[in-house]
Amino acid sequence: DAGVIQSPRHEVTEMGQEVTLRCKPISGHDYLFWYRQTMMRGLELLIYFNNNVPIDDSGMPEDRFSAKMPNASFSTLKIQPSEPRDSAVYFCASSLTQSSTDTQYFGPGTRLTVL
Amino acid sequence: AQSVAQPEDQVNVAEGNPLTVKCTYSVSGNPYLFWYVQYPNRGLQFLLKYITGDNLVKGSYGFEAEFNKSQTSFHLKKPSALVSDSALYFCAVRDMIRAGANNLFFGTGTRLTVIP
Repeated sequence: DAGVIQSPRHEVTEMGQEVTLRCKPISGHDYLFWYRQTMMRGLELLIYFNNNVPIDDSGMPEDRFSAKMPNASFSTLKIQPSEPRDSAVYFCASSLTQSSTDTQYFGPGTRLTVL
Repeated sequence: AQSVAQPEDQVNVAEGNPLTVKCTYSVSGNPYLFWYVQYPNRGLQFLLKYITGDNLVKGSYGFEAEFNKSQTSFHLKKPSALVSDSALYFCAVRDMIRAGANNLFFGTGTRLTVIP
């Protein structure tokens, strides 16, 4: 299995632009998670999906952030408009089931820089 | 409330020496604990987890972790460090607040440097 795939790996954009991050989970995994990693706040869960349905988006910082999962093999995280404080590494992860013992597998991340 | 603490931001160890990366936790109910490693410019990689059973858990790349309930600790260990072990290590606990979820609550990370 190729693991969790994220694109792009690096994104540099200017303040005010729309940014779309993409994720392909491991095939057969029912859960998909979006995390953000910054020096100041560490790893934060933004949102997670179960069977393509958003379950908890309480970690999404504000309305500028939105996430979708149109099918089992694809999810997007969109920031519109982007701001410099959104600069971070964004990780996508997936897990097989909702079992509390299940392991989350992470993608390589997208490093976002907003100028 | 639950939390994970990694008291050391940085750990340095000489190659060939044993290494320990510390983690303590605070949870309500049974703790489900995980260790992940992050190499430069890479995503997090799963190392090992404790769910139940033997307190000594063996994982990838020769790492192991010891669950100590009385000390609420889950320290990561390796008998002989390699330079290639240099990375950022995260301890995590399953988020028990959000019922039915599989969310992980991460510590702040410990940067391990193995000196040749």
